[in-house]
Amino acid sequence: AQSVTQLDSQVPVFEEAPVELRCNYSSSVSVYLFWYVQYPNQGLQLLLKYLSGSTLVESINGFEAEFNKSQTSFHLRKPSVHISDTAEYFCAVSSQDDKIIFGKGTRLHILP
Amino acid sequence: NAGVMQNPRHLVRRRGQEARLRCSPMKGHSHVYWYRQLPEEGLKFMVYLQKENIIDESGMPKERFSAEFPKEGPSILRIQQVVRGDSAAYFCASSLRDRGSEAFFGQGTRLTVV
Repeated sequence: AQSVTQLDSQVPVFEEAPVELRCNYSSSVSVYLFWYVQYPNQGLQLLLKYLSGSTLVESINGFEAEFNKSQTSFHLRKPSVHISDTAEYFCAVSSQDDKIIFGKGTRLHILP
Repeated sequence: NAGVMQNPRHLVRRRGQEARLRCSPMKGHSHVYWYRQLPEEGLKFMVYLQKENIIDESGMPKERFSAEFPKEGPSILRIQQVVRGDSAAYFCASSLRDRGSEAFFGQGTRLTVV
């Protein structure tokens, strides 16, 4: 069975500082990995995804995530955060059965 | 090109009543997911459907909850005899059949049981 662990429920960080949101997964088969972002009172939006190929994937707003098979991780990073990045971030995994399983989420608080 | 449409956005029900949550997937999408979100608990998978078929319902409570995705019309999540513990945000997502396709989410239905 698949599972996703997001180790931090909340991450406070100063504006323009770097941030890393951690995600580890468990699966016995090859996986597809996703990061979604949820702004207040809205649904989830895809931020980036890993299907195959290059282990480093990037989003259009400066986030990146690296697939590390040996450590079963898919941590999300941004070198310099902005106040508009305040949101909840969800890591997700799917595999051959196509079911998408989400982690519990990490709230990113940007401090002025 | 409309996204995933969920209605109603907010639903209030008294204990013991039935709640019906609707989800219209994106055009061309054949698969629908339902998730429940509670504070501090993230998104809990409930059920995964394709038209006229339930693929995986391992996250659905055994009683009072049911889901369908008919050949025509929206997917429906039905909760019978609601209790206070059913109060949550319920999100629907749809995707293409292709493996690894992302899921597109609706705005959610916030169910409050009073």
